[in-house]
Amino acid sequence: DTGVSQDPRHKITKRGQNVTFRCDPISEHNRLYWYRQTLGQGPEFLTYFQNEAQLEKSRLLSDRFSAERPKGSFSTLEIQRTEQGDSAMYLCASSLGGSGALYEQYFGPGTRLTVT
Amino acid sequence: GQQVMQIPQYQHVQEGEDFTTYCNSSTTLSNIQWYKQRPGGHPVFLIQLVKSGEVKKQKRLTFQFGEAKKNSSLHITATQTTDVGTYFCAAHGSSNTGKLIFGQGTTLQVKP
Repeated sequence: DTGVSQDPRHKITKRGQNVTFRCDPISEHNRLYWYRQTLGQGPEFLTYFQNEAQLEKSRLLSDRFSAERPKGSFSTLEIQRTEQGDSAMYLCASSLGGSGALYEQYFGPGTRLTVT
Repeated sequence: GQQVMQIPQYQHVQEGEDFTTYCNSSTTLSNIQWYKQRPGGHPVFLIQLVKSGEVKKQKRLTFQFGEAKKNSSLHITATQTTDVGTYFCAAHGSSNTGKLIFGQGTTLQVKP
């Protein structure tokens, strides 16, 4: 059994460049989540999918951020025109899901983004 | 929006001492989940509490959900060096969303 995997694990980019991260969830999980975590803080919700549908997106999320889950399996998170403030750990998680049911989430190892 | 406040931010204890972290919300919560993040690692699910006044135990860890479902606590008895890490509480925004709202976390250091 494989857990949630993320690629790459580390990314260093220059300000203004675009970056894309990939997340592969646990295969039987229909929900996939993206969070951002900075030092000393808890994970901050960005967006989540149920199958291929993006159900919720944080109001704090800039238009420079976009996420997709085209076939309801893996997901990508793209950040356009990166800024130094985007430097953080980007965590992906997956879970079972359905209306009215609250499930635990399984996190991947994260992608650490450094914008120089 | 809904917020979950967690205290203390840091706790240093001698091995064998007890440890407690507290989680509070101004609104009634659908549930509380607790996660542990080891240094350099990712959050790992520990437990979920759903019912008012619920208490669950996992070996030396005791989790409580308040009667009003607005607060929760995690208590570790006789800490060990393996307990080192950051403990987060998290709550779903409602029963109809998968979104988790995390507290700021309590980082536990254990001196051997």
